[in-house]
Amino acid sequence: ILNVEQSPQSLHVQEGDSTNFTCSFPSSNFYALHWYRWETAKSPEALFVMTLNGDEKKKGRISATLNTKEGYSYLYIKGSQPEDSATYLCACLNQAGTALIFGKGTTLSVSS
Amino acid sequence: GAVVSQHPSWVICKSGTSVKIECRSLDFQATTMFWYRQFPKQSLMLMATSNEGSKATYEQGVEKDKFLINHASLTLSTLTVTSAHPEDSSFYICSARWAGEKLFFGSGTQLSVL
Repeated sequence: ILNVEQSPQSLHVQEGDSTNFTCSFPSSNFYALHWYRWETAKSPEALFVMTLNGDEKKKGRISATLNTKEGYSYLYIKGSQPEDSATYLCACLNQAGTALIFGKGTTLSVSS
Repeated sequence: GAVVSQHPSWVICKSGTSVKIECRSLDFQATTMFWYRQFPKQSLMLMATSNEGSKATYEQGVEKDKFLINHASLTLSTLTVTSAHPEDSSFYICSARWAGEKLFFGSGTQLSVL
């Protein structure tokens, strides 16, 4: 069974701080990794889809890297803002390549 | 972007009753939709993959006779929790793929069974 682990479970930062969190997954049979942002009372929103080892993607102040050989991805937020407060979900395609398996998420709280 | 609408957002029902949750793709056609369940402090767990015009594919450990999935059109999938019991109380959320690999999610349904 594919196991996707995220750390930390939660963190609290001050406005302006930069932060990062980790997603770990089995390096064998890797197909794709997704990052989603889930704000309270809203639907999860796709941030990135990454497939190649060494991929780096950026969307505004948020960026992500992927290392498929060692089985991890980092999500970085530069200069955190209160509106970045959300749960960030990482997910990998299952072995059949048909569905996403999610980690438990990292809940970020940014204080102004 | 694509919009997925899920109803109801919140439902409370008596034990033994059935509850239907609807998931609609509003501005695109979704041949495949996914149903997830989330218990408190746990990850989104895939329950089943709903395929338009054919039977759903259930994940191991998910009772297909209890969680009935119908995907009769390209824009609508329904999940019916039959004879619900308190242990079925959970957050249920649907999603669909559009224009690539990204998933677009509904807003979820919080089910409470008394």
